[in-house]
This record gives sequence, structure tokens and C-alpha cells, in this order.
Amino acid sequence: ETGVTQTPRHLVMGMTNKKSLKCEQHLGHNAMYWYKQSAKKPLELMFVYSLEERVENNSVPSRFSPECPNSSHLFLHLHTLQPEDSALYLCASSQDRGNYNSPLHFGNGTRLTVT
Amino acid sequence: AQRVTQPEKLLSVFKGAPVELKCNYSYSGSPELFWYVQYSRQRLQLLLRHISRESIKGFTADLNKGETSFHLKKPFAQEEDSAMYYCALTPGANSKLTFGKGITLSVRP
Repeated sequence: ETGVTQTPRHLVMGMTNKKSLKCEQHLGHNAMYWYKQSAKKPLELMFVYSLEERVENNSVPSRFSPECPNSSHLFLHLHTLQPEDSALYLCASSQDRGNYNSPLHFGNGTRLTVT
Repeated sequence: AQRVTQPEKLLSVFKGAPVELKCNYSYSGSPELFWYVQYSRQRLQLLLRHISRESIKGFTADLNKGETSFHLKKPFAQEEDSAMYYCALTPGANSKLTFGKGITLSVRP
């Protein structure tokens, strides 16, 4: 499959659970991103990886832990989340980390509900 | 820091009516601006960008540096234009995108 694929599409977890979101891109891109999309808020950039190196961490709580084992895969490990963390989590990739000339390609997102 | 403001949450028009989705930004330099769109049950995707000076699906957007605006326009709306539209800005190379809150466009038959 081409493009950016995210799994699972939906996830319900308790506050004491540990789960992981997965993202995979088959576009040959060098940069990958995690965004959080909450109701009534702009898209919030969480993490940026460029060539498997984390280049940006936007003051995200430590209960969110990203992992980028290679340029095609990106994970977001979740533990002891809060109800306010419920949101749509979007993965994106781009050819290079600078979005000036490298538009973002988004996945369909994981709808996370924390109970 | 840069900021993108989309002042309206919802715009509802009839098919064939003109559309203008507003976007204002705050940034002291010369940014690059984009419009992203999300159709129902589809992923967020790039619609157009200022640097390309292009018209996509009949939409155009002109950068007005005096008014710091990048409004998205289409002279005659179609039902298939109904979607969520996000304006976004990047200061330049190796810089991240900053998104607005988005606006829902609803085109009625």
C-alpha cells in the first residue's frame, strides 16, 4: 500500500493501560511527524523525526513517547494517559523536514479515547 | 512566533455561489502559505500553496502581505467542495508548519 498508513484506526484505553500507535509510510520520505487534533483547537505538532533522529519535541508530556526505528516507521507509545488526551492522532511524512518545499502527507489518523 | 488565524468556523453557501475562506497570519518575515483540505472520510491533504501560484479545483489564494492574509477563493462553489479547510504557514526551509483551527465549508444543492 502506498501513502501513509496508521493503525489502529480506533483505540479505547484506560488511564492505566499501555498502548502504541503505529505509522508506516511507503513514499520514501525522510521526515515523519506526530500531530494531535483536538476539537476546537488547531492541529498541534507533537514530534518531528528527520532521518530517524528526533528534531523537535513540542513540550509534549512524557506519557507520550515516540520511536522511529527507521525512516519508514514511526510509533507513539502511550502510558498513563489522561481523559484530556482523547483526540485524533495524525501521522504525516514529508520528503524533507522543511515543509517549505516538502508538503505533508497525512495518514487517516487514530481516534483515541481515554476512559 | 508565527500564528495563523481562521476567524470563521463554518461557511455555508449554495451551489454556484462564490466562496471566500479567510486566513490571516502573523509573522514578521516572508512566509510560505498553504491550504490543506480534508474531505469527508478522507485524509488531510495539500490543496494548494502560495509558491506554486496555482489554481486547484477552481480554488485560488493570493498572498496579501499588506493585510497579512491568504484567503482561499472560488467563484462558483460545487457540492463536492464541502470539506474542512486548514490554512498553514511555514517561515522557510527546515521550518515546521503552523496550522489554523480550520473552517468547515458546506455547499448546499
